[in-house]
Amino acid sequence: AQSVTQLDSQVPVFEEAPVELRCNYSSSVSVYLFWYVQYPNQGLQLLLKYLSGSTLVESINGFEAEFNKSQTSFHLRKPSVHISDTAEYFCASYSGGGADGLTFGKGTHLIIQP
Amino acid sequence: DGGITQSPKYLFRKEGQNVTLSCEQNLNHDAMYWYRQDPGQGLRLIYYSQIVNDFQKGDIAEGYSVSREKKESFPLTVTSAQKNPTAFYLCASNPGANTGELFFGEGSRLTVL
Repeated sequence: AQSVTQLDSQVPVFEEAPVELRCNYSSSVSVYLFWYVQYPNQGLQLLLKYLSGSTLVESINGFEAEFNKSQTSFHLRKPSVHISDTAEYFCASYSGGGADGLTFGKGTHLIIQP
Repeated sequence: DGGITQSPKYLFRKEGQNVTLSCEQNLNHDAMYWYRQDPGQGLRLIYYSQIVNDFQKGDIAEGYSVSREKKESFPLTVTSAQKNPTAFYLCASNPGANTGELFFGEGSRLTVL
């Protein structure tokens, strides 16, 4: 069975500081990897995804994540955060086969302090 | 605009009452899902449907029921058998391209009084 571990439930950082949200996955087969963002009382929005090709993927709002197969990680990073980045971030993996192949982490709450 | 619409956004019910949450999509997606979200527990799969007139139980289906009579619609009924129904419910869809990417609605928050 596959699993996704988000090592931190909360990450407080100061505005304009860099941040890294950690995600490790466990799977015996190849996976696709995703980061979703959830603002308060809203649904999840796709932030970025790794399907194949370049291991470094970027979003339009400055986030990036790097697929590291040897470390089974897909950490999310941003060099300088803004107050508007305050949200819950979910890492997810997909190993095929429909809904059974989709696994979410428990989420990391990013708290930006002024 | 294409998307997923969930209603109502907020819902209150008394213990012992059934309640139905609506989920409609105009993305022409084949697969639809219902997740339950509780603080600190991430998303847990309740039911999913990969095609009209067919659906499967997820990890926490007890106390819930669904139907998929139309491609666009996947309503979820929270029955009185659900022991702890207060939660945030998320509907999602997937185009069936086998990438696992989900498109989510805005969610429905159910509170049992």
